[in-house]
Amino acid sequence: GQNIDQPTEMTATEGAIVQINCTYQTSGFNGLFWYQQHAGEAPTFLSYNVLDGLEEKGRFSSFLSRSKGYSYLLLKELQMKDSASYLCAAMDSNYQLIWGAGTKLIIKP
Amino acid sequence: EAGVVQSPRYKIIEKKQPVAFWCNPISGHNTLYWYRQNLGQGPELLIRYENEEAVDDSQLPKDRFSAERLKGVDSTLKIQPAELGDSAVYLCASGSTGELFFGEGSRLTVL
Repeated sequence: GQNIDQPTEMTATEGAIVQINCTYQTSGFNGLFWYQQHAGEAPTFLSYNVLDGLEEKGRFSSFLSRSKGYSYLLLKELQMKDSASYLCAAMDSNYQLIWGAGTKLIIKP
Repeated sequence: EAGVVQSPRYKIIEKKQPVAFWCNPISGHNTLYWYRQNLGQGPELLIRYENEEAVDDSQLPKDRFSAERLKGVDSTLKIQPAELGDSAVYLCASGSTGELFFGEGSRLTVL
C-alpha cells in the first residue's frame, strides 16, 4: 500500500532550527511536496523535490533521498509565525498526491 | 490574480439534510480537486477532475456524495443525505502536476 509517515507533533524554540522528517512508500514516484497549514486555514505550497538533494528557499530547505524514500523539511531562524502544521505529500505514478497526517510544530519563545 | 474561491465558508445542518459546496478554481487551471480534511489529519482526496472529466473518484462515497464540473470551470460537491461523520472541512484545490492552490475551505458541521 501507499503510505506517508511523519511525526505528529514537534516543539522548538524561537530562533532555533528544526527538522521535520517524512518517509514515504508509493507506487511509482513523481515528486515530494511540503505544505504549510496554519490552524483554520488552507494548506499553502512550500517546496517540491523530485531529484535527490537539498532545495533551499530562504529560511526553509527541503531534502530528498529517493533511494531511502525519505525527505525532510528544515526550518531555520524559527519565528512564532512558523507555528503550524507541515504536511508531507508524495506523488505516485498516476500523479495522485498521497498525503501524510501532518506534523504540528509548536514554537516556544 | 484571484485565488481558488469556495462557498459557503461555514455550514451547519442537521443529519439527513442535503448540502452543497461550490468552487471556482484559478483561471486556466484544468485540474480541480475536492478534498475532505478532519482535524489533525491530512487531506483525503474525494475526486479529481481534468477539465470536465472525473479522472479519479475512487474515494468518493457515491451513495451519498456527487460532484460535477460543468464546462470544465466551476465545480459543486453535494452530500445527500448528510451524516454525522461528514462533519469536516471540504477543500477545493486547483493546479497542475503537484503544486496545488487551495481555497479557504468549507467547514461543515452536521448535528
